[in-house]
Amino acid sequence: DTAVSQTPKYLVTQMGNDKSIKCEQNLGHDTMYWYKQDSKKFLKIMFSYNNKELIINETVPNRFSPKSPDKAHLNLHINSLELGDSAVYFCASSQSDTDTQYFGPGTRLTVL
Amino acid sequence: AQSVTQLGSHVSVSEGALVLLRCNYSSSVPPYLFWYVQYPNQGLQLLLKYTSAATLVKGINGFEAEFKKSETSFHLTKPSAHMSDAAEYFCAVSFTGFQKLVFGTGTRLLVSP
Repeated sequence: DTAVSQTPKYLVTQMGNDKSIKCEQNLGHDTMYWYKQDSKKFLKIMFSYNNKELIINETVPNRFSPKSPDKAHLNLHINSLELGDSAVYFCASSQSDTDTQYFGPGTRLTVL
Repeated sequence: AQSVTQLGSHVSVSEGALVLLRCNYSSSVPPYLFWYVQYPNQGLQLLLKYTSAATLVKGINGFEAEFKKSETSFHLTKPSAHMSDAAEYFCAVSFTGFQKLVFGTGTRLLVSP
């Protein structure tokens, strides 16, 4: 069974559209994250949720809105997509007292 | 602010040769340190982590890393490279209670026959 899964794996869309990426973890972790990996492979944290509460928000445009319906899910909704949003988005999870994060396979978003 | 520096965006080795990937961190407090590997078109997989126990940490696939506080380094090594080791390697740092990983810029390991 996949520990951290993301859907879709690929997402191609036009500028100005709104899209969502879903993430689910079956590890029983209480903390989930979204990271963005740009074209130069640089990874940067965007958000972190602990027990469905937002605890990290790293200067991300407010077009990006994470939503955590329960501890096992953390979705990322993006409004008014821009060319610069093209990247690979990774979801991750951890148990808050261990610090080891487990990553999903990534979602490659291409904005045309 | 915490930061991680990986020296060398690309490292090339021959199969069977020693692998050395460099990572230095800046921190005023002892951090947790991680090495992750990313194979093409895949997510990140944890190789190993340092959490203030033994300074020499052994990970998966024959990799190990040594924490050297005096040098603020956490270099990754493997005695003998295998073709399957070709991938992107990321060093990362976190601090207890912050739950935020700060990544280095990555090093692509190329292994030639």
